[in-house]
Amino acid sequence: TQLLEQSPQFLSIQEGENLTVYCNSSSVFSSLQWYRQEPGEGPVLLVTVVTGGEVKKLKRLTFQFGDARKDSSLHITAAQPGDTGLYLCAGDTSGTYKYIFGTGTRLKVLA
Amino acid sequence: NAGVMQNPRHLVRRRGQEARLRCSPMKGHSHVYWYRQLPEEGLKFMVYLQKENIIDESGMPKERFSAEFPKEGPSILRIQQVVRGDSAAYFCASSLGGGRPPQHFGDGTRLSIL
Repeated sequence: TQLLEQSPQFLSIQEGENLTVYCNSSSVFSSLQWYRQEPGEGPVLLVTVVTGGEVKKLKRLTFQFGDARKDSSLHITAAQPGDTGLYLCAGDTSGTYKYIFGTGTRLKVLA
Repeated sequence: NAGVMQNPRHLVRRRGQEARLRCSPMKGHSHVYWYRQLPEEGLKFMVYLQKENIIDESGMPKERFSAEFPKEGPSILRIQQVVRGDSAAYFCASSLGGGRPPQHFGDGTRLSIL
């Protein structure tokens, strides 16, 4: 069974701090997505990474795909209360539609 | 999440009743995926459909659950004889084609079983 493990599970930080969350697997993924989900809503796609070692930036968010395409990280600089939410990674194996989701990191940014 | 419409947003059923969840994909999208999310967990793939075809239902429980995506109208996820363990949030996503397109999710249906 393919698993995507996310860490930490919960994170509570003060506004202005930096943080990194991780997504790890023993499987190789052809692409990996990061989503943010807010209470009562569906996941919203933030980014897709497809190349080993790839780094993508989205304003204060930096996403990295591991060289071996088995892991990924999300770094947030100067976190803001609006960043609060559940961050999910999802892996796509060989172009299939069965995105395998991690269990998520629940982030709370305190003002 | 604009575009993928799910209804109802909340559904309460008693044990043994039937639940019908609807999903209208984004305009022009002909591929629909259903996922289930239990509290404090990630999303689990259930079924992948194209218009009038079930492509993969390997994530669906073999009994009581069925899905369809007719030529006209929304995709329907149907749960017969619901049990407490069916309580979850059910999300639908749509895409233009198969392969690796970005998936756009609806806001889900929260099913509660009394």
